[in-house]
Amino acid sequence: DGGITQSPKYLFRKEGQNVTLSCEQNLNHDAMYWYRQDPGQGLRLIYYSQIVNDFQKGDIAEGYSVSREKKESFPLTVTSAQKNPTAFYLCASSPQGGLDTGELFFGEGSRLTVL
Amino acid sequence: SQQGEEDPQALSIQEGENATMNCSYKTSINNLQWYRQNSGRGLVHLILIRSNEREKHSGRLRVTLDTSKKSSSLLITASRAADTASYFCATVGGGSNYKLTFGKGTLLTVNP
Repeated sequence: DGGITQSPKYLFRKEGQNVTLSCEQNLNHDAMYWYRQDPGQGLRLIYYSQIVNDFQKGDIAEGYSVSREKKESFPLTVTSAQKNPTAFYLCASSPQGGLDTGELFFGEGSRLTVL
Repeated sequence: SQQGEEDPQALSIQEGENATMNCSYKTSINNLQWYRQNSGRGLVHLILIRSNEREKHSGRLRVTLDTSKKSSSLLITASRAADTASYFCATVGGGSNYKLTFGKGTLLTVNP
């Protein structure tokens, strides 16, 4: 079945450690996104990529890094510079042309807890 | 910054009743979208309404858009316990058609 796969579903990390969240899609979508969700805060955009080898910062990019070496993959690294990394992370994709006429397709999320 | 703001923050109704959720936004938009999220899961797209549309239907869902008031409403008719979820509005606009800005959501509980 086509969709977006995020892994791991749950992740625990010690303070000061970097961690990488995986996001893979087989929808043949050009654009991919990372959102962060905190309780009562809705979703906030971290990074997005319109095409392979290109990505842009979203509203809360500090302390995060991404790469887009393949169309199918858009991993997110939460670095030790991110001061409050405990959150629910959601990866999404959209077809070519952006969101003027299309919608986001989401993965099931990765819950990161910093101990 | 958050563009959309949903109202109410939480809504509890009985099965069979209608549920209405409202969304307000601040700047001009290309379209407005509604998403649903079951607890601990990813979001699922429900409906998209363009800025030149006033009303749209999809099954038991009815969405309205009033660009003069910068507001939208989502009506779920004949609610079911399975409709229990958080509902988010999101807007596209502000010069980038790749940035979807979400509100904080309405938690809907449908009691059997």
